[in-house]
Amino acid sequence: GEDVEQSLFLSVREGDSSVINCTYTDSSSTYLYWYKQEPGAGLQLLTYIFSNMDMKQDQRLTVLLNKKDKHLSLRIADTQTGDSAIYFCAESKVPMNYGGATNKLIFGTGTLLAVQP
Amino acid sequence: EPEVTQTPSHQVTQMGQEVILRCVPISNHLYFYWYRQILGQKVEFLVSFYNNEISEKSEIFDDQFSVERPDGSNFTLKIRSTKLEDSAMYFCASHQGGLGYEQYFGPGTRLTVT
Repeated sequence: GEDVEQSLFLSVREGDSSVINCTYTDSSSTYLYWYKQEPGAGLQLLTYIFSNMDMKQDQRLTVLLNKKDKHLSLRIADTQTGDSAIYFCAESKVPMNYGGATNKLIFGTGTLLAVQP
Repeated sequence: EPEVTQTPSHQVTQMGQEVILRCVPISNHLYFYWYRQILGQKVEFLVSFYNNEISEKSEIFDDQFSVERPDGSNFTLKIRSTKLEDSAMYFCASHQGGLGYEQYFGPGTRLTVT
């Protein structure tokens, strides 16, 4: 079945790099995502990666995908106090024929990132 | 920047009452979703909706739940007879379809059933 797991908590100092890890079980996943949830707010899409890629960089964010081990990570460089939030990884499968296709997301448990000044 | 909006932000209701949660997806999006997050738990998929019908639903989405797009802009989730275990944050999401795979989420409605 589909399952996505993350560690629950990560604490870093401001200016350090943060690495948030995620494992998933469904090897047929097509897209893998990272969402950020600030207190009282919705889910903000940070970045995503296709399953045929192994790395994607977007400014301070680097996503690494190890498809063999079904392991996804999000590295945040130069972590700031404003990065404190819960980070969710999620997976989905989207068929090539999009008409009527659902793109339900399967979420991990979320990792609470606490950035110490 | 366009965004998904949801109303109300917080709804308190008594067990057995009907509630309707409202969402306004991004205007050119074609696919709509409801998710829920019970306090301290994972975000769970409830239902997806495309072309005025349900595309997929989870086992959580039983006969007590229904969705509707009544007027081309709103997307609603109705719970007919609420139970204590329906207390959760409910998120609406939408995406464009085609190559627009990014799902955009609303801020959520916190439903408290007493």
